[in-house]
Amino acid sequence: DGGITQSPKYLFRKEGQNVTLSCEQNLNHDAMYWYRQDPGQGLRLIYYSQIVNDFQKGDIAEGYSVSREKKESFPLTVTSAQKNPTAFYLCASCRGNQPQHFGDGTRLSIL
Amino acid sequence: GQQLNQSPQSMFIQEGEDVSMNCTSSSIFNTWLWYKQEPGEGPVLLIALYKAGELTSNGRLTAQFGITRKDSFLNISASIPSDVGIYFCAGQSNTNAGKSTFGDGTTLTVKP
Repeated sequence: DGGITQSPKYLFRKEGQNVTLSCEQNLNHDAMYWYRQDPGQGLRLIYYSQIVNDFQKGDIAEGYSVSREKKESFPLTVTSAQKNPTAFYLCASCRGNQPQHFGDGTRLSIL
Repeated sequence: GQQLNQSPQSMFIQEGEDVSMNCTSSSIFNTWLWYKQEPGEGPVLLIALYKAGELTSNGRLTAQFGITRKDSFLNISASIPSDVGIYFCAGQSNTNAGKSTFGDGTTLTVKP
C-alpha cells in the first residue's frame, strides 16, 4: 500500500544533541512538508520541499535543518540550537495542488 | 502571511447532537480542506472543496466552500463517540501549489 512512513514513533534527545526524524513516501509525490504541533495548538510549518534538491524555510525553521536528496525521502534534523524541541512532528506530502497526506508523526521528548 | 481563524476552539457535546465548526480567512483560497486528527496520529483528509459555493458530503459530514472564498464550515450530524478528535480546516491558494495554511483546530468531545 502507498503511504507516508515516519520513524521512529517516539524519540528522546539529550541536551545538546542533534536528532534526525525520518519521513519516507512511496506515493510519487513531488512536494513534502514538515510541521510541528504543540499541545492544543495547530500545525506550524518548519520546512518544505517542492522538488528534489530544493527546499524552503517555513514559519519556524530556526534550529532545524532538512535535505531532499531523493524524491521519496525528506529527513528533518532537530539541532541543538532548537531550545524547545519537545513536540509532535508531522510529515506530509502531496502532488501539485492536491491535498496533503500526512504520516502518523514522531513524538520528540527531551531527557 | 495568510491567517485562518477556526472556531470554536473546543466543543463538548452529547452523543446524537449535531456539530458545526467554521473557518474564516483574511484572504481568498482556491481550495478548502477539512482534516480529522485522532490522538497520536496524523491528520486524515475528510473533505476537499474546490469551488466557491460547493457543498460536499461524506457520510454524516457536510462541508461548504463559502461564496466569498474566505470561509468554510463543517457540520457533523448525529455525532457518535468515535467522532472525538481534533478537526482542522486548511486553505490552499493556486499561487503556492500544495502549500496549505491550517487553522488551529477544533477539539471535539462526545459524551455517550
